[in-house]
Amino acid sequence: DAGVTQSPTHLIKTRGQQVTLRCSPKSGHDTVSWYQQALGQGPQFIFQYYEEEERQRGNFPDRFSGHQFPNYSSELNVNALLLGDSALYLCASSFGGGLNTEAFFGQGTRLTVV
Amino acid sequence: GESVGLHLPTLSVQEGDNSIINCAYSNSASDYFIWYKQESGKGPQFIIDIRSNMDKRQGQRVTVLLNKTVKHLSLQIAATQPGDSAVYFCAEDLGGSGGGADGLTFGKGTHLIIQP
Repeated sequence: DAGVTQSPTHLIKTRGQQVTLRCSPKSGHDTVSWYQQALGQGPQFIFQYYEEEERQRGNFPDRFSGHQFPNYSSELNVNALLLGDSALYLCASSFGGGLNTEAFFGQGTRLTVV
Repeated sequence: GESVGLHLPTLSVQEGDNSIINCAYSNSASDYFIWYKQESGKGPQFIIDIRSNMDKRQGQRVTVLLNKTVKHLSLQIAATQPGDSAVYFCAEDLGGSGGGADGLTFGKGTHLIIQP
């Protein structure tokens, strides 16, 4: 049973560019949440997708957007990259909108903006 | 500021000893708490959770204690092993789940170092 998978594992982008990160949830899960983890910090909630809709959003600008597909996989898009966007981006999956269920995290995508 | 924080950034213990990692939270409405372990280069791994209607919950070698009066959470690891070396995060969820609509709020983490 595959867990949460994210791609790519590492990525280097130039300031001002756009990036797309991908996540496949654990088998049987239908809810995907995205987190940003800066070096030496705890993860920060970006947003969550359930039933192909963004349900809730953390304190992140509109440059951060996402999508969920009918197969429950999800993408995180970041436009106009800033140096401060360099971080580990984590995807977590759960079931049923995340209510009363455990969230499983992927290995993350390490994004470096130069 | 963050509503979840940890008292110590680094904790060093001898192999075989018990470890206690502490966490303070400030949101009295939080009703679900989770401890995660994160090894270098990996995503957070679920260790144990506890709901606000409980004071204590035990797993394999781990125990979580919740003191709602002082808004304090602790993780106890028995007979610490080298494989326990990692950063440990406490997280709170206002939605009563492990990933509810408001997401999880994480603290900054405690780095547990195991001395041989």
